Amino acid sequence: GNSVTQMEGPVTLSEEAFLTINCTYTATGYPSLFWYVQYPGEGLQLLLKATKADDKGSNKGFEATYRKETTSFHLEKGSVQVSDSAVYFCALSLGSGGSNYKLTFGKGTLLTVNP
Amino acid sequence: GAVVSQHPSRVICKSGTSVKIECRSLDFQATTMFWYRQFPKQSLMLMATSNEGSKATYEQGVEKDKFLINHASLTLSTLTVTSAHPEDSSFYICSARVSGGTGELFFGEGSRLTVL
Repeated sequence: GNSVTQMEGPVTLSEEAFLTINCTYTATGYPSLFWYVQYPGEGLQLLLKATKADDKGSNKGFEATYRKETTSFHLEKGSVQVSDSAVYFCALSLGSGGSNYKLTFGKGTLLTVNP
Repeated sequence: GAVVSQHPSRVICKSGTSVKIECRSLDFQATTMFWYRQFPKQSLMLMATSNEGSKATYEQGVEKDKFLINHASLTLSTLTVTSAHPEDSSFYICSARVSGGTGELFFGEGSRLTVL
């Protein structure tokens, strides 16, 4: 089956620190990979994505590279801000059409950035 | 980007009553919508896949008669929690898939249900 494993939190950092949130996956095919962010009290927002091996997704200073050889999609940011405090979810989707597009999520990693 | 709106964002109801949550795609058509449930400090659990004009496909362990899903148009799906109980209290999130593309979904802001 398909699954996503991401590092357990919570992660607490000081402002301007470097962030890495690890994510690995298992999939029966060739998935697209996503990072979603959930700010307190809000729904999920797509942060970045990658659709094939070696693709790098990037947005708002965050980056993640699709590594097929290690089945990983680690999220990184060079200098976090207080406003980055949120829960981050790694996810994958497979195939085309209908329910095959449903996402499989990791358990989420809570990030808290202190001033 | 595409916008998905849920309503209501918060609802409190008495045990035994039914509650309807709406999920609308505001600027695109969505043949497929998904309903998730999120428990505190846990990941999203997919409840069902909603296809326009057909019956929803429920995940294993999700009660079809308790969580009624209707996808009557290309822009609206509804989740009705019937005979709600306190254990149904949760954060319910819908998402809609943009036709074509790589499987990217857009999520609603979620609906927090509290059953007293």
